[in-house]
Amino acid sequence: QKEVEQNSGPLSVPEGAIASLNCTYSDRVSQSFFWYRQYSGKSPELIMSIYSNGDKEDGRFTAQLNKASQYVSLLIRDSQPSDSATYLCAVNRAGGTSYGKLTFGQGTILTVHP
Amino acid sequence: KAGVTQTPRYLIKTRGQQVTLSCSPISGHRSVSWYQQTPGQGLQFLFEYFSETQRNKGNFPGRFSGRQFSNSRSEMNVSTLELGDSALYLCASSLGDRDHGELFFGEGSRLTVL
Repeated sequence: QKEVEQNSGPLSVPEGAIASLNCTYSDRVSQSFFWYRQYSGKSPELIMSIYSNGDKEDGRFTAQLNKASQYVSLLIRDSQPSDSATYLCAVNRAGGTSYGKLTFGQGTILTVHP
Repeated sequence: KAGVTQTPRYLIKTRGQQVTLSCSPISGHRSVSWYQQTPGQGLQFLFEYFSETQRNKGNFPGRFSGRQFSNSRSEMNVSTLELGDSALYLCASSLGDRDHGELFFGEGSRLTVL
């Protein structure tokens, strides 16, 4: 079992729709969870972080965390073609003592078509 | 404020050569982490430096090494290059303490080994 697993994708949604990206993790002691967006040929950009169970909203983005189910998701409302990118889920095992190590999923490619 | 700066952005080497990559973190960040990204393996953690000390290390051979200077700038070195070392090398910075482990990536150094 991979430590962090994401929808294999690719995921294609029409402009204006809600895109739902999912991620599961295997290590129960994981404490911090991140979503990165990576455009083709570019580096990962941090777009959301979540540390507690529940929802966290930032603009069109909502991150959801359920530690009991070891599940984290990212919802993108009113999807735009500019949201087309690879979305990476990353997990921090030990909070502030992770010493630079995040475990990343393989990423989900999202395409938003006009 | 300025983001993470990596140099060089692109480089081509031949098998057996060595390469040194440089990274300047965000001002005030004391932790620098290095990652390798390839299409097949995704993002893999190399090592992390904080206050000139390596605090964490991934599962890479000893040909991969790094160091950090007193101004938090970091370098990584790969000796005796192999074809499989062709990848995007990403540097990420963080506060390094009293944080949740979120990382901010530079634009990367794309290494091609011929």
